[in-house]
Amino acid sequence: DIVMTQSPDSLAVSLGARVAINCKASQSLLHPTTNKHHLAWYQQKPGLSPKVVISWASTRESGVPDRFSGGGSGTDFTLTISNLQAEDVAVYYCQQYYTPPRITFGQGTRLEIK
Amino acid sequence: QLQLHESGPGLVKPSETLSLICTVSGGSMYSFNHYWTWIRQPPGMGLEWIGSVFYAGSTYYNQSLQSRVTISIDTSKNYFSLQLSSVTAADTAVYYCARRTYDGWIDYWGQGTLGTVSS
Repeated sequence: DIVMTQSPDSLAVSLGARVAINCKASQSLLHPTTNKHHLAWYQQKPGLSPKVVISWASTRESGVPDRFSGGGSGTDFTLTISNLQAEDVAVYYCQQYYTPPRITFGQGTRLEIK
Repeated sequence: QLQLHESGPGLVKPSETLSLICTVSGGSMYSFNHYWTWIRQPPGMGLEWIGSVFYAGSTYYNQSLQSRVTISIDTSKNYFSLQLSSVTAADTAVYYCARRTYDGWIDYWGQGTLGTVSS
């Protein structure tokens, strides 16, 4: 199985600041048949189900604010949140789908306001 | 708008079988482009894929749970189910049913149901 490792485990950031959450895969997620990176990011607010914010490593889902962006390549990926808002407090997970239907998640990164 | 809803006993005794049903409304389960999926989240912890089922009945399981898991589907009645046998306290978690895109991410989630293993 592909192992996904996120860093940091948690962080506290001031409102309006820029946040970077990292995700490292145990193998490259660039698939030869699609030439795309098979990685998604989710946001899970307290008490709620997760919600996808980014697919294909950098494609923002419909309705997601443009302050959310995804980047990276190969095995290393980043979710960046610009101009942090109070409603962005959540746990963020990365997920690989290189070997569907089997999928694996990172352990999560808890984001709080300082 | 597609909706998924988990139901089933919230409390199961150790060594018994956890059985959950996911009822799907607002759309058809007869889809070439999606997998119907179970994911769990132990209290305060991360997400673990349990397994998925295609509309035609083919199933795929997490290797770590494969010997204890059965997922089935009934597209005519718009539901799919999870059975996890020989449960222990380590199986206590919020269990989510979800729809996975053919490519691989989860686009719809149920609200989750807490399954507690305790005598």
